Amino acid sequence: QKEVEQNSGPLSVPEGAIASLNCTYSDRGSQSFFWYRQYSGKSPELIMSIYSNGDKEDGRFTAQLNKASQYVSLLIRDSQPSDSATYLCAVNRGSARQLTFGSGTQLTVLP
Amino acid sequence: ETGVTQTPRHLVMGMTNKKSLKCEQHLGHNAMYWYKQSAKKPLELMFVYSLEERVENNSVPSRFSPECPNSSHLFLHLHTLQPEDSALYLCASSQQQGDYGYTFGSGTRLTVV
Repeated sequence: QKEVEQNSGPLSVPEGAIASLNCTYSDRGSQSFFWYRQYSGKSPELIMSIYSNGDKEDGRFTAQLNKASQYVSLLIRDSQPSDSATYLCAVNRGSARQLTFGSGTQLTVLP
Repeated sequence: ETGVTQTPRHLVMGMTNKKSLKCEQHLGHNAMYWYKQSAKKPLELMFVYSLEERVENNSVPSRFSPECPNSSHLFLHLHTLQPEDSALYLCASSQQQGDYGYTFGSGTRLTVV
């Protein structure tokens, strides 16, 4: 089992729809969770962080964390073509205190 | 300058060349990282420095040699590389080894010919 798993996609949604990106992790000691956005040929950019169970909202983005199910998700409301990118889930495993990245989900928002 | 700065942005080198990648962070962080990202592949952690001490080396070939002279600067020295080493090399920094996430530099696109 991979330490951090994401569906590679590609995931396509129409403009204005909600995009839902999912991530599971294997280490129950994980304490910090992050979502990065990476445009093609660019470096990853941190867009959301979440540390406790529940939802965290920032503008059109909502991160959801369920530690019992070892599951973290990112919802993008009113998706725009500019949201088209690869989204990386990253987890801070408590033991190593370093981020472990998933392989990313490629999102395409269709105009 | 703010954030994490990497130079050069692009580098083309022959297999017999020696070059260095430079990373500088202006965030007051105490940990720095080198990652490799090849086309269609996930991020690969290469090296981790915490408080200027190398704490992780992920079985990286010896043709890659990191150097961290202080908490703000990180180098990756390259020599006798192979074409399969062509990739985007990303530097990142963080406070407390990732508790609050990493900040990435813009990367160096390396092509080995």
